Amino acid sequence: AAGVIQSPRHLIKEKRETATLKCYPIPRHDTVYWYQQGPGQDPQFLISFYEKMQSDKGSIPDRFSAQQFSDYHSELNMSSLELGDSALYFCASSLGHAGNQPQHFGDGTRLSIL
Amino acid sequence: AQKVTQAQTEISVVEKEDVTLDCVYETRDTTYYLFWYKQPPSGELVFLIRRNSFDEQNEISGRYSWNFQKSTSSFNFTITASQVVDSAVYFCALSEAQGGSEKLVFGKGTKLTVNP
Repeated sequence: AAGVIQSPRHLIKEKRETATLKCYPIPRHDTVYWYQQGPGQDPQFLISFYEKMQSDKGSIPDRFSAQQFSDYHSELNMSSLELGDSALYFCASSLGHAGNQPQHFGDGTRLSIL
Repeated sequence: AQKVTQAQTEISVVEKEDVTLDCVYETRDTTYYLFWYKQPPSGELVFLIRRNSFDEQNEISGRYSWNFQKSTSSFNFTITASQVVDSAVYFCALSEAQGGSEKLVFGKGTKLTVNP
C-alpha cells in the first residue's frame, strides 16, 4: 500500500540558510500534519492542513511556514536556520481531521544544521 | 490541557518475557482518541492501534494487547513473548475530538530493549 512520502530523507544545511521539506500524503488523504522530533524527544506538533487550509497550529517558529497544494502535497519552508532546528521532521496524513483517524507517518526528513 | 505520561523511560527484558508499557493521559474532553506508535532504531513511526474514548474493550492483535481503563485514565500496552525485533521506542499519544484540535500529543516514549 502507498505510504506517506517525504523528501529529502536527509538534509544538511548551515546556520542562516533556508530549507524546504516536502510531503506527499497517502492517496485520498486530505489532511497533512507536520511534527518535529528533537534528539531523544517525542514528536512535537508544528502545523496541520485540511483541504489546503491551515487547520491547526502548534509550536511552529515564525521562521517556518508551510502550505498544502492543490494536489494535497505539503511543503515546510524553514528560514534563518539555527542549530536548534536540527531534528527529525515528520509529515503525517489522515483521511479527515476530526482526530479520530490514525495519522500515518512518513519516514521523516533528518535535518542537520552545521 | 492534554497530557500523556509514560513513566517508564527505559525497559530491558529478555526474549520471551512479557512486558507492559504504561500510559496515563489527561484530557478535559469526553470524546478523545488514544494511539500507540512504535519507533524502531531506523526512525520511522509505525501506527499500532487507535482507541476511542467510548470503547473500553480490550484489544488483542497477535502478541500485542491493549488495556484501556477510563477510570484510571490509562491505556497500557502489553507485548507477550517479546522478541528482539520488538526493540524500539514506543509512544502513546492522545488526540481530542472537540475544539478543532486534531493534533497528536505524545508521551515522552518508553525505550524497550529485548535481549536475546
